[in-house]
Amino acid sequence: KAGVTQTPRYLIKTRGQQVTLSCSPISGHRSVSWYQQTPGQGLQFLFEYFSETQRNKGNFPGRFSGRQFSNSRSEMNVSTLELGDSALYLCASSSDPGQKYSPLHFGNGTRLTVT
Amino acid sequence: AQKITQTQPGMFVQEKEAVTLDCTYDTSDPSYGLFWYKQPSSGEMIFLIYQGSYDQQNATEGRYSLNFQKARKSANLVISASQLGDSAMYFCAMREGWTGNQFYFGTGTSLTVIP
Repeated sequence: KAGVTQTPRYLIKTRGQQVTLSCSPISGHRSVSWYQQTPGQGLQFLFEYFSETQRNKGNFPGRFSGRQFSNSRSEMNVSTLELGDSALYLCASSSDPGQKYSPLHFGNGTRLTVT
Repeated sequence: AQKITQTQPGMFVQEKEAVTLDCTYDTSDPSYGLFWYKQPSSGEMIFLIYQGSYDQQNATEGRYSLNFQKARKSANLVISASQLGDSAMYFCAMREGWTGNQFYFGTGTSLTVIP
């Protein structure tokens, strides 16, 4: 099975611009989550989608948004970029936990630099 | 309060020796899952091992074992026979309850294996 695929790997944007990141989950996985990783704050949960519905949302401003398509692929959008948005953005997919917790399977991440 | 606490920012271990990475967690939910991830310098997050709150036995996966002490709310990762390729950041994570799929991550421990 192919793993989680994130595109692009690297992005450089200017403050005030907006950006869209893409994530293709492992085939059959319907849950897709997004995390922001920075040296200062560590790994922080952004949001999770399951069957095209946002199930959970972390404590991030409304500039951060996402969506999931019927094929489980997900996109994350950040509008009005700020310097502090520079981070590694990780997408993770998992099968629906059911009675046993399923691990997150991560992509290689998108490194966003805001100048 | 922090959901996951990793108190060792950095650890060193001699090749072929065993090492224990500490993790304590905080939850009032009786149902939760504990996970360990490895993040090499390349950036991808690799799932290592999982322990459920109702599991009677400590989890093991090859050279990885999880020392689960429920009363102490600790879930330490033990790596036996360390290899040079084990040098990486290690993150402890928790998912609680059955709704949604939000994981809480610790700040990580940087492990360096010395030849």
